[in-house]
Amino acid sequence: NAGVTQTPKFQVLKTGQSMTLQCAQDMNHEYMSWYRQDPGMGLRLIHYSVGAGITDQGEVPNGYNVSRSTTEDFPLRLLSAAPSQTSVYFCASRAGTGGTGELFFGEGSRLTVL
Amino acid sequence: GESVGLHLPTLSVQEGDNSIINCAYSNSASDYFIWYKQESGKGPQFIIDIRSNMDKRQGQRVTVLLNKTVKHLSLQIAATQPGDSAVYFCAEITANAGGTSYGKLTFGQGTILTVHP
Repeated sequence: NAGVTQTPKFQVLKTGQSMTLQCAQDMNHEYMSWYRQDPGMGLRLIHYSVGAGITDQGEVPNGYNVSRSTTEDFPLRLLSAAPSQTSVYFCASRAGTGGTGELFFGEGSRLTVL
Repeated sequence: GESVGLHLPTLSVQEGDNSIINCAYSNSASDYFIWYKQESGKGPQFIIDIRSNMDKRQGQRVTVLLNKTVKHLSLQIAATQPGDSAVYFCAEITANAGGTSYGKLTFGQGTILTVHP
């Protein structure tokens, strides 16, 4: 049981490049989400999904796309990277959409945009 | 807008002391609160949670207190150990208009806890 797995752990991009951050969970969780963490800003929700085929925007969705074709995977796409997207990205999942909210986080993906 | 924030950005304690980390929240509609611990280079880890219909909940060496009157949340760590050194975040969940929480956590900025041996 690997939990939440994110790849890559580190990535450097040039402005304007695109890339996909991968996230997979093996706990059969319905809910998956992406956060970014910036110094002094805490974690901010980018996008989330409450099940396969269902996604919605969080607090800071601009510049990012997501899709949820399977229960296990929730990739985050950067369409045209900007220096403002330099951050640490965390994927998180939990079972169900109501009630308690223990999120299981991945180890993070550190992205630098030059 | 609504927000969750922390009073103290840093806290230094001696090993064996009790630690208290505070958090203020502004959304009176929040119905669920969680404390997370984040060690350097790792993702946040769940510590303890509390629902808005409770004012206290205890775990192993940790206690969360909720004061809805003043919208204040605290995490107490007993007999703090060097392994407790980390950043601690409080977070809230607010039920959406349909009355169901979708886990859209709002995190505070975090408190850095440093435990000196």
